[in-house]
Amino acid sequence: NAGVTQTPKFQVLKTGQSMTLQCAQDMNHNSMYWYRQDPGMGLRLIYYSASEGTTDKGEVPNGYNVSRLNKREFSLRLESAAPSQTSVYFCASNRKGTAGNTIYFGEGSWLTVV
Amino acid sequence: AQTVTQSQPEMSVQEAETVTLSCTYDTSESDYYLFWYKQPPSRQMILVIRQEAYKQQNATENRFSVNFQKAAKSFSLKISDSQLGDAAMYFCAYWSAGGTSYGKLTFGQGTILTVHP
Repeated sequence: NAGVTQTPKFQVLKTGQSMTLQCAQDMNHNSMYWYRQDPGMGLRLIYYSASEGTTDKGEVPNGYNVSRLNKREFSLRLESAAPSQTSVYFCASNRKGTAGNTIYFGEGSWLTVV
Repeated sequence: AQTVTQSQPEMSVQEAETVTLSCTYDTSESDYYLFWYKQPPSRQMILVIRQEAYKQQNATENRFSVNFQKAAKSFSLKISDSQLGDAAMYFCAYWSAGGTSYGKLTFGQGTILTVHP
């Protein structure tokens, strides 16, 4: 999806390792989000940032930290990866304007923790 | 906290027929947006349709329309003239436009739609 870039796309980690998922958008959006999606399930909100300088917990924040580095970038960090964190991670950003509310998604990051 | 419920884990429809996917939500807010997203096996998230809570008129996008019942907190998606390419997981989502949860985007559990030729 144009506008929201996630890296890396695929990653395999060993239990206990740390890593950071990067997300950047070039659409001047205020709000950014991190979700995880487990097989056959919906998107569960990990953290979100309604505006630059703010972050809030979602439904499943345990084991994760986030940083809204600037308006463009919103990173998700796993300090000590666990097999339960094996999932597909999606970053999204949002623009609410006169044309309505538009939400853009990245293509997903496949993370496997062994 | 806002919650979104999709009570139909799976639905099926014959090609060219009509199918309706259900979604209910719980909120105390008056200003919000509702969305339906389609997710094919590629995992790409594709916006199908959106509805602003303050608009009474139901949104329509080609073969896709919604039945928005604000008082009942219901937001169902109707797909007319179903096509094989409509087969996917469909998610209902709620975006908070005010209050302490401003900017929070919550998804339902999803409904897998199968289209039979």
